[in-house]
Amino acid sequence: DQQVKQNSPSLSVQEGRISILNCDYTNSMFDYFLWYKKYPAEGPTFLISISSIKDKNEDGRFTVFLNKSAKHLSLHIVPSQPGDSAVYFCAASDKTTSGTYKYIFGTGTRLKVLA
Amino acid sequence: ETGVTQTPRHLVMGMTNKKSLKCEQHLGHNAMYWYKQSAKKPLELMFVYNFKEQTENNSVPSRFSPECPNSSHLFLHLHTLQPEDSALYLCASSQGPASNQPQHFGDGTRLSIL
Repeated sequence: DQQVKQNSPSLSVQEGRISILNCDYTNSMFDYFLWYKKYPAEGPTFLISISSIKDKNEDGRFTVFLNKSAKHLSLHIVPSQPGDSAVYFCAASDKTTSGTYKYIFGTGTRLKVLA
Repeated sequence: ETGVTQTPRHLVMGMTNKKSLKCEQHLGHNAMYWYKQSAKKPLELMFVYNFKEQTENNSVPSRFSPECPNSSHLFLHLHTLQPEDSALYLCASSQGPASNQPQHFGDGTRLSIL
């Protein structure tokens, strides 16, 4: 059973408009969340993160919102650019039995920004 | 340039072969990770090393054998693999294995088992 879910496998947005990517999780003990971007034939690249003590984090065109009561986070990209076309992965940090942390990833959403 | 380099980028091997995947990080990090990504599945953690010590083995079959000789290098030794082991294998590193220290990924090795 997936603990981190990205229910939209794909999304298309016009250039200049807002892209909103969504992610849901099931474990209320997750304390840190991240978004990664992945281009074909490359590894995931860290984009932005948010601690569970916050509800918003902004970095340039990218903003992540966290709604803990709904166990939901979203990534907003404004304005969207063609270079943003990639697969976006949501991840949550989970503490292991050894005391370290591991990331639980969603299956990704493919964003296509149309020129 | 991600700071995490994986070789080879592509590998085709038979089920009886022995091969190794290599990962090197140039970021001064202390924690290193192996992940597996199969088609249409999320990234799946395999192993975690912190200061060269293995701290997590996510129930990985023994045909996968990791080795971490120092904090900058991580290997994944492969032996007697199965066709279902065909996947993208990603290495990552982070400053430490804490929750708020983002992991930085290499570009992966695409493994095909014949």
